[in-house]
Amino acid sequence: SAVISQKPSRDICQRGTSLTIQCQVDSQVTMMFWYRQQPGQSLTLIATANQGSEATYESGFVIDKFPISRPNLTFSTLTVSNMSPEDSSIYLCSVNYFGEASGGNEQFFGPGTRLTVL
Amino acid sequence: ILNVEQSPQSLHVQEGDSTNFTCSFPSSNFYALHWYRWETAKSPEALFVMTLNGDEKKKGRISATLNTKEGYSYLYIKGSQPEDSATYLCAFYPLSGNTGKLIFGQGTTLQVKP
Repeated sequence: SAVISQKPSRDICQRGTSLTIQCQVDSQVTMMFWYRQQPGQSLTLIATANQGSEATYESGFVIDKFPISRPNLTFSTLTVSNMSPEDSSIYLCSVNYFGEASGGNEQFFGPGTRLTVL
Repeated sequence: ILNVEQSPQSLHVQEGDSTNFTCSFPSSNFYALHWYRWETAKSPEALFVMTLNGDEKKKGRISATLNTKEGYSYLYIKGSQPEDSATYLCAFYPLSGNTGKLIFGQGTTLQVKP
């Protein structure tokens, strides 16, 4: 299994500012994933963070708004830039790993960052 | 666009009741179906990873079935307890996206009243 930590766990930010979320994994992984869940919505994949190359963004998400760093195989950051109230969400980082409990490749998630933008 | 639908959106039951939720997913390009349990202020954690049509998996009082031909999965909780209160997410793992890109439903939020 994989243990993932995230910082900060929550924050309240002003419109127009930026917040960087950190994600640390206790083992080396090739890909790290960033998701968000807006109120009442599904968990939605923002981007895949690859070590040694640029992140791959899903449709509707762009690098200028959500720049990602991946300096090594255990760490990644996601920045939410120029925030607006619509960015209020839970942001989660995740890795794909074999899970003994489920018996298959599963997503392991961090505890999430609860962001409120005023 | 691949859609994963879950119903109901929320559910309130009494302690001891049995309950079930539905997850609908595309029946083509299927690789796996995941069920996760997400308690407030905690990480989502995997309950089941299901890959075979007709699969049935069980963990304690929770079980799940899978029908890949018609594109649905059921999650059952027998004798619900207050500690079962959580949001239950299903996620579809398409064959062509075998890179960890899960497509999640919006979840079913279960409240079990003592």
